[in-house]
Amino acid sequence: AQSVTQLGSHVSVSEGALVLLRCNYSSSVPPYLFWYVQYPNQGLQLLLKYTSAATLVKGINGFEAEFKKSETSFHLTKPSAHMSDAAEYFCAVKGNTPLVFGKGTRLSVIA
Amino acid sequence: EAGVAQSPRYKIIEKRQSVAFWCNPISGHATLYWYQQILGQGPKLLIQFQNNGVVDDSQLPKDRFSAERLKGVDSTLKIQPAKLEDSAVYLCASSLGTSGRGGTDTQYFGPGTRLTVL
Repeated sequence: AQSVTQLGSHVSVSEGALVLLRCNYSSSVPPYLFWYVQYPNQGLQLLLKYTSAATLVKGINGFEAEFKKSETSFHLTKPSAHMSDAAEYFCAVKGNTPLVFGKGTRLSVIA
Repeated sequence: EAGVAQSPRYKIIEKRQSVAFWCNPISGHATLYWYQQILGQGPKLLIQFQNNGVVDDSQLPKDRFSAERLKGVDSTLKIQPAKLEDSAVYLCASSLGTSGRGGTDTQYFGPGTRLTVL
């Protein structure tokens, strides 16, 4: 079985500051890992995914995430936050079961 | 290309009434998913279709929820009768792949239908 824990339901950063959203996973098989973003009243959009190739994955809008098997983590980072990054972010894991999402982290960006 | 289309965007009903949601996936996508997203939680898969066959419906409350994907294109999700706890956003997604439950194809999501049950 697979599960995801996102640490922090709400993260607030200043514009231009580092963004770090934490995700830890549990999986009984080698996992595939995803980060999705959801803007208000919209569906989810894929930011990036890890499918067992390079452990450092680069995504859209300047985001990247690093798969660390020893820490069972897949944290999302962006060097410099922009006001347009304010949204809900979901980490998700997939093994031999359907995609399982975390509860989400709401990112606020302060001017 | 056109994205995943869903209708209606909002629906308010009384408990014990029935409701239906419609989804039209991206053209050519073999796999279609219905998710339930309760406020404050991540989406939960209700049912996955590959073409017009069901791949996974293990989390679908079959006593009140039903879904179909006739002709392997658009899909309808129905709730009958609705309960208060069904209040949620219902998301439809589609992906290109035909690799069943183990696929890692990117899922493209529609805007969702927000259901309020009073």
